[in-house]
Amino acid sequence: QLQMQESGPGLVKPSETLSLTCIVSGDSVSSSYYYWGWIRQPPGKGLEWIATIYYSGSTYFDPSLNSRVTISMDMANNQLSLRLTSVTAADTAVYYCARIPLAGPKPYYMDVWGRGTTVTVSS
Amino acid sequence: QTVVTQEPSFSVSPGGTVTLTCALSSGSVSNSNYPSWYQQTPGQPPRTLIYSTDTRSSGVPDRFSGSILANKAALTITGAQADDESDYYCLVYLPGGTWVFGGGTRLTVL
Repeated sequence: QLQMQESGPGLVKPSETLSLTCIVSGDSVSSSYYYWGWIRQPPGKGLEWIATIYYSGSTYFDPSLNSRVTISMDMANNQLSLRLTSVTAADTAVYYCARIPLAGPKPYYMDVWGRGTTVTVSS
Repeated sequence: QTVVTQEPSFSVSPGGTVTLTCALSSGSVSNSNYPSWYQQTPGQPPRTLIYSTDTRSSGVPDRFSGSILANKAALTITGAQADDESDYYCLVYLPGGTWVFGGGTRLTVL
């Protein structure tokens, strides 16, 4: 049974860098059958796709966050990471990681989600 | 930047049928956008309902169905039940490998 568990600092100061980790169990992030992604949800608002990564190193980012986001995977520890620089209050959100199956060569939906980790940006 | 638009809210009577839609600002939604639908209740992560336009995820009741209607992705709930009261989000895949969520529809069953 696949499980995904996000973790993070909880509270980050404005202008600092947010670092999140998603530990995956029950599947391998190095699998060629899946992409892996990060999604967030600001309080009281909708879901926002942030970034996606494939074991080959291919990465995709939301254009509005592109310059501030890094996504990576640690195959040895079977985990994903997200790094968001220069955070502001607008980055306050619940952050989710998700598995993304492939349809042929393309990732096509998010089939398993973590429970999310809450991040608040405040001084 | 591409925007995906959903109805902000919808209401349906118990036992009734409702269709939620998902429109793409850049044009028509097609099967190549792999539209998917997610259900979310407060404090919970999203639950995958439909993927690749019309395929139900494992364990999803058959009262949920997906389609393309008038160039939009659509989620139809037939025979709505009280516990269908949730937020529903569509997600579309764009050329270039990026994704966009719709703003979500809050469904009330009353």
